[in-house]
Amino acid sequence: QKEVEQDPGPLSVPEGAIVSLNCTYSNSAFQYFMWYRQYSRKGPELLMYTYSSGNKEDGRFTAQVDKSSKYISLFIRDSQPSDSATYLCAMSGGGTSYGKLTFGQGTILTVHP
Amino acid sequence: GAGVSQSPRYKVAKRGQDVALRCDPISGHVSLFWYQQALGQGPEFLTYFQNEAQLDKSGLPSDRFFAERPEGSVSTLKIQRTQQEDSAVYLCASSLDRGASLPHFGNGTRLTVT
Repeated sequence: QKEVEQDPGPLSVPEGAIVSLNCTYSNSAFQYFMWYRQYSRKGPELLMYTYSSGNKEDGRFTAQVDKSSKYISLFIRDSQPSDSATYLCAMSGGGTSYGKLTFGQGTILTVHP
Repeated sequence: GAGVSQSPRYKVAKRGQDVALRCDPISGHVSLFWYQQALGQGPEFLTYFQNEAQLDKSGLPSDRFFAERPEGSVSTLKIQRTQQEDSAVYLCASSLDRGASLPHFGNGTRLTVT
């Protein structure tokens, strides 16, 4: 079993829909939780970053972390066709392992007009 | 440019050939990471440098994989005697330092071994 599990989808929604993406993990040492967006033939770009449990909002994006359940989520409100991409959750243990990220498989999202 | 630059963008190698992939990190970034992303999968950690020191190479899949960063700036990932299972996108990322900033990724080198 992988340390980080993510439903690969694909997920197809109409423009304006609320999108929910999520990951589960098994390593209790993870303290930093990120969401990356990856367009085709591009590198991952950081969307959201959260330390430990809690919520964080940035525009149309909300990230939630529940360490007790080992579950993280990303919500996208008022989704746009430009949000169509692969969304990757990633985690790290902090300290000396801060930049060593463990990624989920990625969820392919398509937002159609 | 201001981002992480990787070259070549695409590389086709015949099985058994050696390849070298280059990464130019963001200027001033101390930390440099290599990741491997197989088709339909998330990136997987290969190795990490702080300046010229390779501090973690736990993700390198075999001794055919070798990475270096001799002057603490540009890095090269070398794969010897390539196999078909080496086909993947190789991503490089850099950050200011390991303890305070998350890595910025380049667009990767897509390696196809035929």
